[in-house]
Order: sequence, then structure tokens, then C-alpha cells
Amino acid sequence: QKEVEQNSGPLSVPEGAIASLNCTYSDRGSQSFFWYRQYSGKSPELIMFIYSNGDKEDGRFTAQLNKASQYVSLLIRDSQPSDSATYLCAVLGSGSARQLTFGSGTQLTVLP
Amino acid sequence: KAGVTQTPRYLIKTRGQQVTLSCSPISGHRSVSWYQQTPGQGLQFLFEYFSETQRNKGNFPGRFSGRQFSNSRSEMNVSTLELGDSALYLCASSLWRSGHGLDYGYTFGSGTRLTVV
Repeated sequence: QKEVEQNSGPLSVPEGAIASLNCTYSDRGSQSFFWYRQYSGKSPELIMFIYSNGDKEDGRFTAQLNKASQYVSLLIRDSQPSDSATYLCAVLGSGSARQLTFGSGTQLTVLP
Repeated sequence: KAGVTQTPRYLIKTRGQQVTLSCSPISGHRSVSWYQQTPGQGLQFLFEYFSETQRNKGNFPGRFSGRQFSNSRSEMNVSTLELGDSALYLCASSLWRSGHGLDYGYTFGSGTRLTVV
């Protein structure tokens, strides 16, 4: 059973702080990793994808990947109340099995 | 550019009935996947279609089936509905080029909220 685990929430941070979201995965052959944001009552929205070890930055978001440790993280700098949502880590399975496995999500609340 | 379109948005069905959900992917996307989302189980993979062929299937009973048409539109069918089938059903499309080696992620539709009573 290929698994994706996210740090348990909920997570609360004050406005302007850095929010750190973590994810580990079990399929060592996985090559593609995604972070989705899901507002209550809405569908998931892709905010970052990463394939290579290291950091990838996009605006206030930074995704970090460490394949040796099978670890993916998402940092949100200068957190805003509008960032309050559930963040889902997703891992694309290895080989021809194109199955996106999701973690259970971390609920983030940014306090004004 | 139009996104992923799912219809209908909401459905209420009775136990034992069957239901068909529709998904139109982003233009040019040939990969369509279906997911079930419930508060208890989170997002679970149902199946994935590419060029009218089912390439992968999740761990769901045979009551759940799907198909993809030549224009990449996909339908999902659930027969003999059970109360536990109440969920948000999400369709996602992806730009996938064989041998490309990279994936640009899945774009989700707004979902179909199915309630079985």
C-alpha cells in the first residue's frame, strides 16, 4: 500500500508568519510531487509541483523535496488569512501506474 | 482557456439506483482521472483513462465504472447505489505526453456532490 503522510493539524499561524507543511511518502520510485490547496466546499487547486531534489520557489510558496528521505514540504512565507485552507500533498506513482495518491491534508488557519 | 467541467454539480439519489457523472477535460488534455472525496477517507483514486483506455484502477468495487470517449470526455457510473457512496466526486485532467517523463499536474473540476438517501 503506497502511502502519503502529512503532519497532523490543524495548524495555526499568525498573519505574516511562515507556515510549514510536511509530507512523507512510501513509494521510493515516485518522481512527481504536488501541493494542492482546498478551500472549504471547493475542489483542490494545484499550487506547486516539484520533481528535483532541492527547493522550488513561486512567489510566497517554496516547495522542498528530499528523495533520499522521501520527504516533501511546503513553506508559505508572509502568511495571509486568505491562505487559510486545507493543504494536500500528492505523489504520482512510479512506472506506468499514473495514480495520484493524496495525503489526508493539513488544515491551516492564518490568524489576523 | 476553459477548465475541467463536471456535470451535474449536485445529485440526490435513492439507494439501489444508478448514477452517471460527466467530465469534460481541458482542451488538449487526454488523461482523465476520477477521485472520490469523503470526510473520513479523504481523496481516493477511482480510475484513470487515457485515449479511451483505462490505464489504472483504484480499490473500488465493480459497481464503479467509467469510460472515455474519443473527444476525451469521460463518464463515471455507479450502479446499485449505497449510502456510503455519498461523496464529492472529482474529475481531473492532465497534460501527459508519452515518454516526456514529466507531469504538469492534474487540474480538478468543481466536482459532483452525490447524496444517496
